Amino acid sequence: NAGVTQTPKFRVLKTGQSMTLLCAQDMNHEYMYWYRQDPGMGLRLIHYSVGEGTTAKGEVPDGYNVSRLKKQNFLLGLESAAPSQTSVYFCASSYRRGEQYFGPGTRLTVT
Amino acid sequence: QQQVKQSPQSLIVQKGGISIINCAYENTAFDYFPWYQQFPGKGPALLIAIRPDVSEKKEGRFTISFNKSAKQFSLHIMDSQPGDSATYFCAVSFSSGSARQLTFGSGTQLTVLP
Repeated sequence: NAGVTQTPKFRVLKTGQSMTLLCAQDMNHEYMYWYRQDPGMGLRLIHYSVGEGTTAKGEVPDGYNVSRLKKQNFLLGLESAAPSQTSVYFCASSYRRGEQYFGPGTRLTVT
Repeated sequence: QQQVKQSPQSLIVQKGGISIINCAYENTAFDYFPWYQQFPGKGPALLIAIRPDVSEKKEGRFTISFNKSAKQFSLHIMDSQPGDSATYFCAVSFSSGSARQLTFGSGTQLTVLP
């Protein structure tokens, strides 16, 4: 099993550009999450999903949108990237309230 | 408002020594206290977790000590090894609806010298 995979691994955007980060999991987990990690701030929850077709806001949702059209995939979109969105983004998945399994991350730089 | 405060920010320990990382929280509704380990270029991975009905949990060289009255919990790494060099995050959580939302501490970069 691949576990949780994320694409792309690295990306550089110009301010105002848009992009979508893809998260895929092959563990048949119901719940999926998107976090961002910034130096000295730990990980902060952006959005999460408790099942196909459902999404909810986390701690820092502004500037991001998500979609969960298939159980195994969770997409994070940036409609108009800003330098403040430069970060490392992690996706995670879990069975209900169980252990969260994290992907390897996507390093995004917005210039 | 920072819901969990983690210290120290960095820690250097000699091989064989004890590494201790501390976290403090405010909200008494939290009911799940995990520690995550993260190696450079990788995602965090669950190391050990505790619930507030016990004061200590041990798994191999890793122990969580939990002080409910002081609202503090700590990670102890016994016989620290160079392979333990990583960033450690504490987290707190409570069940919110059907999801478990984790709030992470700011992280501790541990270096174990050979």
